[in-house]
Amino acid sequence: AQSVTQLDSQVPVFEEAPVELRCNYSSSVSVYLFWYVQYPNQGLQLLLKYLSGSTLVKGINGFEAEFNKSQTSFHLRKPSVHISDTAEYFCAVRGAGFQKLVFGTGTRLLVSP
Amino acid sequence: EPEVTQTPSHQVTQMGQEVILRCVPISNHLYFYWYRQILGQKVEFLVSFYNNEISEKSEIFDDQFSVERPDGSNFTLKIRSTKLEDSAMYFCASSAAGTLSNQPQHFGDGTRLSIL
Repeated sequence: AQSVTQLDSQVPVFEEAPVELRCNYSSSVSVYLFWYVQYPNQGLQLLLKYLSGSTLVKGINGFEAEFNKSQTSFHLRKPSVHISDTAEYFCAVRGAGFQKLVFGTGTRLLVSP
Repeated sequence: EPEVTQTPSHQVTQMGQEVILRCVPISNHLYFYWYRQILGQKVEFLVSFYNNEISEKSEIFDDQFSVERPDGSNFTLKIRSTKLEDSAMYFCASSAAGTLSNQPQHFGDGTRLSIL
């Protein structure tokens, strides 16, 4: 079975500051990792994914994430946030051979001027 | 960019009634999913569907739930006799053919189901 932990339920940050949203996972099989963003009253939009290869993956809107197998982490980063980045961010994992995505509880990113 | 569309955006139903939530997956996708998110909780997997049959389901997906692909474009989730605890946001998702696990799932905007 797989599980995902997002320790920070809410991260407040000022505009143009860097941000890191943390994600740790556990799994008994190899995994594929994803970050999704949910803007108010909208669905889940794929930000980026790690399938294999380079451990640093780049996504939309200037976000990137680094897969660290030894620490079982997949933290999301952005060097300079905008007000429009205010949203809920979900880390998700899919185990090899499984179809279901297992989600974390989400981190609400609050960007203020 | 192709989208997954869900209707209605909000459904209000009396407890004990049947409800059908509808989804139109991305047209060339072959794998379909339903998830739900109870208010304040995490997104939970319900079921996946491929080649006209359920390929994986969670313990949440009991006999009260069923899924169907009635035609070439729609994918539905039916709850036979709704309970108060079925109130949640229901998300439909789809993914392309190919190696099963590494195709990302694309989500719709969800249907908010409120059971009274």
